[in-house]
Amino acid sequence: GENVEQHPSTLSVQEGDSAVIKCTYSDSASNYFPWYKQELGKGPQLIIDIRSNVGEKKDQRIAVTLNKTAKHFSLHITETQPEDSAVYFCAATGFKTIFGAGTRLFVKA
Amino acid sequence: EAQVTQNPRYLITVTGKKLTVTCSQNMNHEYMSWYRQDPGLGLRQIYYSMNVEVTDKGDVPEGYKVSRKEKRNFPLILESPSPNQTSLYFCASSLAQSAGNEQFFGPGTRLTVL
Repeated sequence: GENVEQHPSTLSVQEGDSAVIKCTYSDSASNYFPWYKQELGKGPQLIIDIRSNVGEKKDQRIAVTLNKTAKHFSLHITETQPEDSAVYFCAATGFKTIFGAGTRLFVKA
Repeated sequence: EAQVTQNPRYLITVTGKKLTVTCSQNMNHEYMSWYRQDPGLGLRQIYYSMNVEVTDKGDVPEGYKVSRKEKRNFPLILESPSPNQTSLYFCASSLAQSAGNEQFFGPGTRLTVL
C-alpha cells in the first residue's frame, strides 16, 4: 500500500541551531504535502504546507522543500527555540492523506 | 471559536463493553475523519466521511463503526472493545478531502481497554 517514511524519529538540537526532518512518499498521485506540529496533550496543528507545483515555501523560521521527481519533501526550522519542542508529522495527500510516523524534536536551552 | 471537540478526553473501560466517542465541529466542514495514534506508527485513518450519510473505511477500520447523520457530528463506536484498541484517538475535519484542505484536529481521546 501507499506509505510515507519520515526520518529521524527523534531529533535533539541546541537552541539556535537548525533542524531538518525528511519524508519520502510512494503515491505518485500525491499533490499536497502538509506538516503538522503536535504539542503535548493536544491534537496536531498545521504549521506549513506545499503543493506539487511549488518547489519551496517559507514562513518566517519554517521552510518546506519538495522534490517531486525523487518523491522527497523536507521541513527546515532555523534558529530553533525551546517552544519548537514537539512532535512533527509530515503527510502526503492524493486521493487520501497518509501521515509519516512522526519526529520528536527536542530543543535544548 | 472554530474548533473540533471530542468527548470524553480520557476513558478506561473493560473488554466487550460498548462505547462511543463523540466528535463535533462548528466550521460547516464536509469532510470528517477518525485517526488512531500509536507510538512509532503515526496517525492511521480508521474511517472517514465525505458528507452526511457518506462514510468509508480507512486503513484500520476493523472493530470500529461510525455514523454521519448530521454534518457537524461524527461519532466513533466500538461495539466490543478489545485491549488492542487501547490508543490515542483523534477526530479531524476539513472543508473537503481534495488536496489543499487543511485538517483541523480535535484534542484527542485517550482510551484504555483492560
